Amino acid sequence: KNQVEQSPQSLIILEGKNCTLQCNYTVSPFSNLRWYKQDTGRGPVSLTIMTFSENTKSNGRYTATLDADTKQSSLHITASQLSDSASYICVVSPQRAGTASKLTFGTGTRLQVML
Amino acid sequence: DTEVTQTPKHLVMGMTNKKSLKCEQHMGHRAMYWYKQKAKKPPELMFVYSYEKLSINESVPSRFSPECPNSSLLNLHLHALQPEDSALYLCASSQADRNTEAFFGQGTRLTVV
Repeated sequence: KNQVEQSPQSLIILEGKNCTLQCNYTVSPFSNLRWYKQDTGRGPVSLTIMTFSENTKSNGRYTATLDADTKQSSLHITASQLSDSASYICVVSPQRAGTASKLTFGTGTRLQVML
Repeated sequence: DTEVTQTPKHLVMGMTNKKSLKCEQHMGHRAMYWYKQKAKKPPELMFVYSYEKLSINESVPSRFSPECPNSSLLNLHLHALQPEDSALYLCASSQADRNTEAFFGQGTRLTVV
């Protein structure tokens, strides 16, 4: 069964600090892995998307890593800001040609950045 | 334009009402999705349309009826809903023939009373 597990479930950090969120997946065959940021009551917004051949990708203060061998990904947030408070969802897309694919969502990490 | 627009943003309906949720995108995406999301849970896939044809129905109750009138629009018709159907309903779109990024709308917060 395709699964995506994230840790920690929740995290509280002080403004300006860095943090790293983890994602382990069992989706196979694997096409790409995405990290989304979701504010409460809003739709998810894409941060990064990586294929199996990519090891790292950055988007501003967000840096995602991917190890396709161990099926692990991480999202590192640098110099956190209050606006980073949100849920961060790891989403894995299976390899499937021709038509739209079903995405497998992780349960998310709820990040709270405090003064 | 990388926007997926959903209307309305909020909806309160009674269990005997009929209402519709609307979703629109102008990115030329030929795959569109409906998801249901309960609080503190990940989105759950409901339906996928690919080239305006229903390609995936995740055993959704018939009180939810999707419709894709053209390549830019996706509707979700609601009838005789239950209070447990209250949730955030998300629309998303992506390219259909390449496994690329999915863009999500801001969602419709539905409350069934």
